[in-house]
Amino acid sequence: DADVTQTPRNRITKTGKRIMLECSQTKGHDRMYWYRQDPGLGLQLIYYSFDVKDINKGEISDGYSVSRQAQAKFSLSLESAIPNQTALYFCATSEGGLGTQYFGPGTRLLVL
Amino acid sequence: GESVGLHLPTLSVQEGDNSIINCAYSNSASDYFIWYKQESGKGPQFIIDIRSNMDKRQGQRVTVLLNKTVKHLSLQIAATQPGDSAVYFCAENTPNGANSKLTFGKGITLSVRP
Repeated sequence: DADVTQTPRNRITKTGKRIMLECSQTKGHDRMYWYRQDPGLGLQLIYYSFDVKDINKGEISDGYSVSRQAQAKFSLSLESAIPNQTALYFCATSEGGLGTQYFGPGTRLLVL
Repeated sequence: GESVGLHLPTLSVQEGDNSIINCAYSNSASDYFIWYKQESGKGPQFIIDIRSNMDKRQGQRVTVLLNKTVKHLSLQIAATQPGDSAVYFCAENTPNGANSKLTFGKGITLSVRP
């Protein structure tokens, strides 16, 4: 079974719609992250959370919000989706300190 | 500004040959480095890591070399196989108290010719 799961795996939505991407992990890690990946570009950090009560903005947080419902769950919301949010979204987890990040399988989002 | 980058966008190698993928980093304070492999349709997968107090680390068929003098990181894959075809990217960890930051390079595509 996968340690980091993401739902949905694929999503098509229309401009202006609110959508939520969910992430769950069974690794027992405190730290969780949301990234987006665009073709030919590296991973860009959207938000990260070091524990349930800690939420931090990343490089490109505008237009996104997150919720850390539990240690194992971290969801990403697009309040009003726009076409340039079409991308591949990854959730990741890590332990504290020098922690390698472990990634989920990704959610492919298309905003029409 | 700080950056993590890869020298070549694509690398094509013959099956059975050794592959070398290079990465330049610019933050001399970075203390930890990771190589990831991303296959089509999948999330990045950890391959190997190295701390800044080391200059070489070996795994199964992979070796990471770190040259802090020129801020260069490389991934060597021995006897490259078709299953090694993927995008590879490096990441550097820059310490900042409790909020260390992991910065990812853009990636290089490794294509293995049969």
